[in-house]
Amino acid sequence: GIQVEQSPPDLILQEGANSTLRCNFSDSVNNLQWFHQNPWGQLINLFYIPSGTKQNGRLSATTVATERYSLFYISSSQTTDSGVYFCAALSGSARQLTFGSGTQLTVLP
Amino acid sequence: GAVVSQHPSRVICKSGTSVKIECRSLDFQATTMFWYRQFPKQSLMLMATSNEGSKATYEQGVEKDKFLINHASLTLSTLTVTSAHPEDSSFYICSAFGPQPGRSSGNTIYFGEGSWLTVV
Repeated sequence: GIQVEQSPPDLILQEGANSTLRCNFSDSVNNLQWFHQNPWGQLINLFYIPSGTKQNGRLSATTVATERYSLFYISSSQTTDSGVYFCAALSGSARQLTFGSGTQLTVLP
Repeated sequence: GAVVSQHPSRVICKSGTSVKIECRSLDFQATTMFWYRQFPKQSLMLMATSNEGSKATYEQGVEKDKFLINHASLTLSTLTVTSAHPEDSSFYICSAFGPQPGRSSGNTIYFGEGSWLTVV
């Protein structure tokens, strides 16, 4: 099956800083999503982005499907952005998402 | 928008007992739901695919007799952890494909709120 790798595994930011998370995948994808898991475990769907660029306020994501990677951008980070960010991919005829290992983000006040 | 609701959010049970976790799609029908398990500081691992009206498909290494999945309707899937042991303590989360918000076609995946299981 498809392999999904995320980097960096851990990231500490000072409030207000910008940063980029990366997701590499080993095969062409039908679906690529970015999720935020808050400290209570809840998964929030941030972006559905199999290709192209999307923006939602301070957050944006870009997937370059031909090169098999996706980037997730946080600008003007806030303490509430802390948590784990996962990318997950769906390829071929698979019906379930394969998750990357996640990036643990800590935003310090 | 599409919502998947999971219940209970937290449960503590004694070793040897069984516990049931429910996953409901609230405003869409889901012929397929997925159950994931997450250990602390690790990624979500797919346990099984729940198919409405048929048997679930389990991933390699997941004991189907221990983790019983029933998808009785188009809006409800249940995961029952039977004869629970402390090592079953984990975070369990379900998901389902639902309509993309603001679009007439295409699906995206929605997750339940998750259930923290502690077996004592």
